[in-house]
Amino acid sequence: KAGVTQTPRYLIKTRGQQVTLSCSPISGHRSVSWYQQTPGQGLQFLFEYFSETQRNKGNFPGRFSGRQFSNSRSEMNVSTLELGDSALYLCASSLDLGVSGTDTQYFGPGTRLTVL
Amino acid sequence: GNSVTQMEGPVTLSEEAFLTINCTYTATGYPSLFWYVQYPGEGLQLLLKATKADDKGSNKGFEATYRKETTSFHLEKGSVQVSDSAVYFCALLNEKLTFGTGTRLTIIP
Repeated sequence: KAGVTQTPRYLIKTRGQQVTLSCSPISGHRSVSWYQQTPGQGLQFLFEYFSETQRNKGNFPGRFSGRQFSNSRSEMNVSTLELGDSALYLCASSLDLGVSGTDTQYFGPGTRLTVL
Repeated sequence: GNSVTQMEGPVTLSEEAFLTINCTYTATGYPSLFWYVQYPGEGLQLLLKATKADDKGSNKGFEATYRKETTSFHLEKGSVQVSDSAVYFCALLNEKLTFGTGTRLTIIP
């Protein structure tokens, strides 16, 4: 079974631009979560989607948004990029995050975003 | 709230040495606990997990036991290899994953 895939793997943008990252979960997984990894802040939760609905959200500004499609694929968007948004963005999928026993999250390789 | 406190790194060991990476947590309820490993330039790989008190997770020679009384989930391996060099993250799941800061492990031949 194919794992979680993320595209693109690398992105370079300039301040003020916006960016869209894509995540395809493991087949059959309906929950998709996004995390930001930086050297200073470590791994931080952005949001989680299940059946096209955002179920949980971390403490990030409104510039960070996401959505999920009917095939469970998810996108996250960052508008008005700032230098501090440079990070590795990780996507993780699970069968159903809200149900014990099906909540193990499997991660993709990440998208490395650099903001200049 | 939820939090994970993980042993500070970096940790450097010789091949075949015994490994312990300490992890303690604070959480409401009874979260599932995980260890993830990250190799250079890659995403996180699930190493092992435990879903309830006294459960032992194990994989590739690594073990960790869910200790509710001490709120701990320490990672151990009896004999490490050079290929175990990576960053290890302890995490708890309570609606979302909360991670520790990560421990960089380097194994020298």
